[in-house]
Amino acid sequence: QKEVEQNSGPLSVPEGAIASLNCTYSDRVSQSFFWYRQYSGKSPELIMSIYSNGDKEDGRFTAQLNKASQYVSLLIRDSQPSDSATYLCAVNYAGYSTLTFGKGTMLLVSP
Amino acid sequence: NAGVTQTPKFQVLKTGQSMTLQCAQDMNHNSMYWYRQDPGMGLRLIYYSASEGTTDKGEVPNGYNVSRLNKREFSLRLESAAPSQTSVYFCASSDGAPSTDTQYFGPGTRLTVL
Repeated sequence: QKEVEQNSGPLSVPEGAIASLNCTYSDRVSQSFFWYRQYSGKSPELIMSIYSNGDKEDGRFTAQLNKASQYVSLLIRDSQPSDSATYLCAVNYAGYSTLTFGKGTMLLVSP
Repeated sequence: NAGVTQTPKFQVLKTGQSMTLQCAQDMNHNSMYWYRQDPGMGLRLIYYSASEGTTDKGEVPNGYNVSRLNKREFSLRLESAAPSQTSVYFCASSDGAPSTDTQYFGPGTRLTVL
């Protein structure tokens, strides 16, 4: 069964801190992994994609993938109040032509 | 470019009524998707279309039908609406396979079924 698990939160961090968001999935042969950000009342938008083990950095965002342990994480450095949103993890399971989304983690960054 | 557009933005139906949600994209994408999002449930795939002329069921297809009218347009129809279909509906598109390509989402339709 395809599953993507995320802690629903909210995860509260002060401005300037590092926010760490985690996601676990149920199939070791999954191919690709995505982090989407969704502001309240808005539609999801892609932040990062990662396909191989290790870290991928883009500005203040770093995605980390560990296929052996079946988890993917998103680090947000120097968190800003504008980062307050729900972060959705999505996984493309091998053999499937669609994405499976987690339920999302709400992040609150306080000034 | 408008990206992915959806109509209507809001809709209230009575149980048993029918309606069609419209979606269009101007990015020349091959694949299109319909999701529903409920509180605490995340995004769940209803139907998708990998290319013009093809449609496939997703995780929660019961009570819905879809039509890929052409490469730009993908509609979702509720034949007999039920309160359980109260949700926010998102249409999305991607250039190719979701394994590698970004999905771009429309603004959503907020549907209430009384």
